[in-house]
Amino acid sequence: SQWGEENLQALSIQEGEDVTMNCSYKTYTTVVQWYRQKSGKGPAQLILIRSNEREKRSGRLRATLDTSSQSSSLSITGTLATDTAVYFCATDQGGRALIFGTGTTVSVSP
Amino acid sequence: GPKVLQIPSHQIIDMGQMVTLNCDPVSNHLYFYWYKQILGQQMEFLVNFYNGKVMEKSKLFKDQFSVERPDGSYFTLKIQPTALEDSAVYFCASSSDRGNTEVFFGKGTRLTVV
Repeated sequence: SQWGEENLQALSIQEGEDVTMNCSYKTYTTVVQWYRQKSGKGPAQLILIRSNEREKRSGRLRATLDTSSQSSSLSITGTLATDTAVYFCATDQGGRALIFGTGTTVSVSP
Repeated sequence: GPKVLQIPSHQIIDMGQMVTLNCDPVSNHLYFYWYKQILGQQMEFLVNFYNGKVMEKSKLFKDQFSVERPDGSYFTLKIQPTALEDSAVYFCASSSDRGNTEVFFGKGTRLTVV
């Protein structure tokens, strides 16, 4: 999991497996955004889920949001080696600048 | 897709010297940001700039830091003087609205202070 007292988490999986990563946040947010950062690159948005949504899908990605527990998850089904990256959740603290979580490193082996 | 360009990609500078990091945001975006990332760690927010002014800044945005975007030119982050702990990758980002919309990031400038 990201945030709070959690350290940076690393997951190693085989291609084709599914993976789920979690994120918890401390302050009110209007959205949770999930970003992926590949080595040597800047973050790129994967999915945005608003506070009035419980689930959002985009291709192989599925994000959930539970505002009561202030937590979100990102699942990737049928992972590929190209999914290897660090995944960050980010919140906007009620419409302010994005604040990123500590990140989850996902390594997908061919 | 929309691109944020950062120049240079890598800068090495002597401690105490001034450095300016340049960013060319997405053309119709109004909100600009700088983030700092030490190798292998999380992205840390520095500053948000809108309509010629700093809107928000974090504790990491020290007095030695300044930002500006003179009309039609780069959005810049200036550090004067630099310190060893300023070594990091600095990411510029832009968005059409505040945090509840997609934010586009550049590839970063790796700053090494020696």
